[in-house]
Amino acid sequence: ETGVTQSPTHLIKTRGQQVTLRCSSQSGHNTVSWYQQALGQGPQFIFQYYREEENGRGNFPPRFSGLQFPNYSSELNVNALELDDSALYLCASSSLLAGVTDTQYFGPGTRLTVL
Amino acid sequence: AQTVTQSQPEMSVQEAETVTLSCTYDTSESNYYLFWYKQPPSRQMILVIRQEAYKQQNATENRFSVNFQKAAKSFSLKISDSQLGDTAMYFCAFLPRIIQGAQKLVFGQGTRLTINP
Repeated sequence: ETGVTQSPTHLIKTRGQQVTLRCSSQSGHNTVSWYQQALGQGPQFIFQYYREEENGRGNFPPRFSGLQFPNYSSELNVNALELDDSALYLCASSSLLAGVTDTQYFGPGTRLTVL
Repeated sequence: AQTVTQSQPEMSVQEAETVTLSCTYDTSESNYYLFWYKQPPSRQMILVIRQEAYKQQNATENRFSVNFQKAAKSFSLKISDSQLGDTAMYFCAFLPRIIQGAQKLVFGQGTRLTINP
């Protein structure tokens, strides 16, 4: 069974640039959730994708957007990067059956630094 | 809205000792899951243990067990015979078991646990 993978591991960007982070879900899972974890904090929910559509969103501005592909992998895009976007971005996959999900399994994360 | 509170920012114990991490939560949902995740310096968030709210029996995974008190909205994690590899940040998390909408985890602020040799 393949676990959740994320790429890249680290990324350094400058303010105003755009970034794309990638996530491959665990085999058998159909739902991907993205979280932002600032240093010393617990992760905060950004959004969730199910069947290639956004299935809910946290308190993040529209410059945070995403995609889910037919193979259930996902991308997180952030436009017009700000210094406060510097964080660890975590992807989690899970199975959503009959509208209800279960345990979310996390990837290793992407560390984004905005200068 | 759900909230999760971990009141112990840091804890430190000697190897082989038992340690208990505290977590309380607030919700109006009746059906939900609770989790403990471990995040070592490698950053990967690793599932430690899972509890379904409708189950009265406390979950156990080897050296890890929970004390789930639904009425008190309390969910503590006990680590027995602690090992150096248990050193990590531990997060308590809540997941509502809802039919519609985002199935989002709500995390506490974490407890940094250090196991000393």
